[in-house]
Amino acid sequence: KQEVTQIPAALSVPEGENLVLNCSFTDSAIYNLQWFRQDPGKGLTSLLLIQSSQREQTSGRLNASLDKSSGRSTLYIAASQPGDSATYLCAVLIYNQGGKLIFGQGTELSVKP
Amino acid sequence: EAEVAQSPRYKITEKSQAVAFWCDPISGHATLYWYRQILGQGPELLVQFQDESVVDDSQLPKDRFSAERLKGVDSTLKIQPAELGDSAMYLCASLPGWGGADTQYFGPGTRLTVL
Repeated sequence: KQEVTQIPAALSVPEGENLVLNCSFTDSAIYNLQWFRQDPGKGLTSLLLIQSSQREQTSGRLNASLDKSSGRSTLYIAASQPGDSATYLCAVLIYNQGGKLIFGQGTELSVKP
Repeated sequence: EAEVAQSPRYKITEKSQAVAFWCDPISGHATLYWYRQILGQGPELLVQFQDESVVDDSQLPKDRFSAERLKGVDSTLKIQPAELGDSAMYLCASLPGWGGADTQYFGPGTRLTVL
């Protein structure tokens, strides 16, 4: 059974710091890996999607890497800002009859001014 | 920009009552998902539709939960009777076709509180 784990559960950093969020998964048979952002009481916004054949994706200050063989992904946020404060969720897409996302429990990020 | 719509946004109910949630996916999206997210945890898939057909409902508590997507467009998730442990955020998501290279688009969710 696929399990996704995110470390740390919570992180507080001063503004301007570079930071790394970690995600690990137990079964390398994935179709892709996605990182989502969730603001308090809101839905999920997709940040980056990495296909299983890719190693990384970049969008602005965000960079996500994927090492499928070791079951790990990292989300790197450069020059963090207070507006980055949110919960970040990692999810892997596995095969069922239509594609199923398995989520980690999230990392709650707080960026202090 | 097209969005996934959900209603109501908030629902408070008493134990043993019936509740229903509605989702309208992005127009033309064939795949629709219902997730449950307990506070402090990641979303967990409850049911997945491809058009009007159920693809995966293995995690749906079928003794009390039901879901339908009669015309392959909007969908309703029902709980009867509600229990205290059902308090959570219920998220709907949609996708143009099969999983693949596309990301799922999520609605704002319905926050359910069972008293």
